[in-house]
Amino acid sequence: GEDVEQSLFLSVREGDSSVINCTYTDSSSTYLYWYKQEPGAGLQLLTYIFSNMDMKQDQRLTVLLNKKDKHLSLRIADTQTGDSAIYFCAENGSSNTGKLIFGQGTTLQVKP
Amino acid sequence: ETGVTQSPTHLIKTRGQQVTLRCSSQSGHNTVSWYQQALGQGPQFIFQYYREEENGRGNFPPRFSGLQFPNYSSELNVNALELDDSALYLCASSPPGARQETQYFGPGTRLLVL
Repeated sequence: GEDVEQSLFLSVREGDSSVINCTYTDSSSTYLYWYKQEPGAGLQLLTYIFSNMDMKQDQRLTVLLNKKDKHLSLRIADTQTGDSAIYFCAENGSSNTGKLIFGQGTTLQVKP
Repeated sequence: ETGVTQSPTHLIKTRGQQVTLRCSSQSGHNTVSWYQQALGQGPQFIFQYYREEENGRGNFPPRFSGLQFPNYSSELNVNALELDDSALYLCASSPPGARQETQYFGPGTRLLVL
């Protein structure tokens, strides 16, 4: 089946680290993604990880992938108020149709 | 480099009408995907176009149709609009050789059906 689950809300203090978690069901997914959506805007591709990798780091962002448990996480170091947004996890599934399967999004609130 | 653009930004229609939404892909990108994002939800895949052909389709009825043009721009057409079609419609483009791996989204068109 195709399903991506995320917790709905996370609140952190400015300067702290944020960790957003995601679980997915399709073990044949070759790529997993994190997108950011600010109010009234489209989706911004933050980063993606190939399924044969365990970790990917890009400046303040660290993605961890546990393929056995089908668990993906996004860590944002030194979280800033500008990081407040909705974060979506997505997988590309087993089809070759270009379909991305998204979770329902995690709202990150960063308090000053 | 110009990113993905969509028009119009907002649209209000009444039930039963038809609507056409437009998307210009990012420069050099030859694949376009369309998604519907209902309020408070993640985007749902409608379909993807590659070389002017529909490459894949999600769980949407035939009244959702699309086109891709030789310049890789695209249209989404929705006939017989229903109240539940109210949503943000997102277009995403992908560079050659990366139809799935990297999809870059436009700002979306917000459709309200009354």
